[in-house]
Amino acid sequence: DADVTQTPRNRITKTGKRIMLECSQTKGHDRMYWYRQDPGLGLQLIYYSFDVKDINKGEISDGYSVSRQAQAKFSLSLESAIPNQTALYFCATSDTGGGHEQFFGPGTRLTVL
Amino acid sequence: AQTVTQSQPEMSVQEAETVTLSCTYDTSESNYYLFWYKQPPSRQMILVIRQEAYKQQNATENRFSVNFQKAAKSFSLKISDSQLGDTAMYFCAFGWVWGQKLVFGQGTRLTINP
Repeated sequence: DADVTQTPRNRITKTGKRIMLECSQTKGHDRMYWYRQDPGLGLQLIYYSFDVKDINKGEISDGYSVSRQAQAKFSLSLESAIPNQTALYFCATSDTGGGHEQFFGPGTRLTVL
Repeated sequence: AQTVTQSQPEMSVQEAETVTLSCTYDTSESNYYLFWYKQPPSRQMILVIRQEAYKQQNATENRFSVNFQKAAKSFSLKISDSQLGDTAMYFCAFGWVWGQKLVFGQGTRLTINP
């Protein structure tokens, strides 16, 4: 079984809808991240969480919110989806301390019509 | 703010050739980490190699090696004896020592031709 899972893998929705992307991990890591990937822009950090009570905004948090329900679960919500939020979304985890590898989920491809 | 630049949007080489992907970064930090991640068509992000800035020796992982030039803020990836399975997007990334946020470059799409 995959260590970092994301649901759904693909989603098509309409402008104005609320969408939740879910991430679960079995690696026992404290740190979790949400990234967005757009063509030609690489990955940009949306939110990150160093533990259940520590949530921080990344570079592009506007229009997004997150919830860290447990050490193993970190959800990303789009309160009112808009077309320019069409992108590939990745969840990642890492162990405590700098320099550790980030382990990525398989990604969620979101299309907002 | 830290920035990471990959100046080669696309590259293409023949199988078994050696290819070098470029990456430059900007930081005022003296200690940090640098990474190369691979994203094949499956879209899974896979760590290829990691370099710690305070280590002068260049990191190597089998056919993958880096040329880390700290003063020039350059971190290139060399792939030797390239294989068809190396076809992927490659991302360079900067990581802080104290925290684990990563800043990614724009990516280089590498195609290995038979």
